[in-house]
Amino acid sequence: DAKTTQPPSMDCAEGRAANLPCNHSTISGNEYVYWYRQIHSQGPQYIIHGLKNNETNEMASLIITEDRKSSTLILPHATLRDTAVYYCIGSSTGNTPLVFGKGTRLSVIA
Amino acid sequence: NAGVMQNPRHLVRRRGQEARLRCSPMKGHSHVYWYRQLPEEGLKFMVYLQKENIIDESGMPKERFSAEFPKEGPSILRIQQVVRGDSAAYFCDSSPRTGRLSGELFFGEGSRLTVL
Repeated sequence: DAKTTQPPSMDCAEGRAANLPCNHSTISGNEYVYWYRQIHSQGPQYIIHGLKNNETNEMASLIITEDRKSSTLILPHATLRDTAVYYCIGSSTGNTPLVFGKGTRLSVIA
Repeated sequence: NAGVMQNPRHLVRRRGQEARLRCSPMKGHSHVYWYRQLPEEGLKFMVYLQKENIIDESGMPKERFSAEFPKEGPSILRIQQVVRGDSAAYFCDSSPRTGRLSGELFFGEGSRLTVL
């Protein structure tokens, strides 16, 4: 699995877009970029994943650079309930365990 | 967290006792992964199992920890002679035989072990 680097913490005002960066310069060609989050002590929650193209779903958007060495998760209108630790993970779609780093602790402030 | 069930949600044990944590994967999923999360840390992979087989146990401590996923029933993570350092949240997730086709892994809500 690719090693990823994320800032340890970020703040975001409620209602504004939260942009969470991730560096994954060693990602291989068949590895996807996955984003999960963990709210308080709950189980990790899947957010989004992508390979090359930008992706969007009801939760977030994922912007992957052309060289695939970094990506940004965008929460378009952050709410207080988005306060969580966000994990960026590089991994294949096969049956391999996920390797979690320390993630980014996002605090959404009213 | 659709469908992966873990129990108990909370477990308290005294030093030296045994802890058994159970994980029932999503319906149709034959692969189970166990992770441990120590306080204020990220999740660390422990073991990956298919039905009746351990595929990867590279993250399991060498002693006192074991895991199984029988043909019938849930996967079991067993910790013998627990020590205070075993206090953690233990999470399980599952995937189908064909892998993470949808890009998702479904995590349970975890079992929180406290060793007194």
